[in-house]
Amino acid sequence: NAGVMQNPRHLVRRRGQEARLRCSPMKGHSHVYWYRQLPEEGLKFMVYLQKENIIDESGMPKERFSAEFPKEGPSILRIQQVVRGDSAAYFCASSPSQGVTYEQYFGPGTRLTVT
Amino acid sequence: KNQVEQSPQSLIILEGKNCTLQCNYTVSPFSNLRWYKQDTGRGPVSLTIMTFSENTKSNGRYTATLDADTKQSSLHITASQLSDSASYICVVSANKLVFGAGTILRVKS
Repeated sequence: NAGVMQNPRHLVRRRGQEARLRCSPMKGHSHVYWYRQLPEEGLKFMVYLQKENIIDESGMPKERFSAEFPKEGPSILRIQQVVRGDSAAYFCASSPSQGVTYEQYFGPGTRLTVT
Repeated sequence: KNQVEQSPQSLIILEGKNCTLQCNYTVSPFSNLRWYKQDTGRGPVSLTIMTFSENTKSNGRYTATLDADTKQSSLHITASQLSDSASYICVVSANKLVFGAGTILRVKS
């Protein structure tokens, strides 16, 4: 049973470009969470999705950031018109069911560098 | 405001020694408390998860304690190994997970 997969592992974008980060949850998991980790800081919650639904996006910046989890395929975190401050590690986690009582399994992360 | 604070920020110990990492939290409503280990360049991996009624939980050489009255937790690592070098993150569940900034542990030979 493969773990949570994220790709790419490293992504370099110039200011103004778009970044697309992909996350495939563990088999059988229908709940996906995205987190951002800035250097020297803890992980910060961004968004929680189920298949085809955004459940909680309270941690997402209001502009330029969007997320989706379609019926088929991976979850996508999209950052438009990237700026240097978007440089961070972005982690995806999945769980088998809803709620913070369930274990979340983390992927290896995507390290985004904006030049 | 929900917060999780960890201390020390970083720690260096000799291989074979024990160490204890601290976590204080102000999170409400409290659901559970978790300790994660994050190796450099990797995602966090769960070590323990404790609910309100649990005082202590072990996972091999890792033992976590929880005092829900004082809102404190500790992670004790026994007989440290070089592979224990990592960031240890305390996470408290409220309506969502609230992460501490982590303690960076370096075990040297």
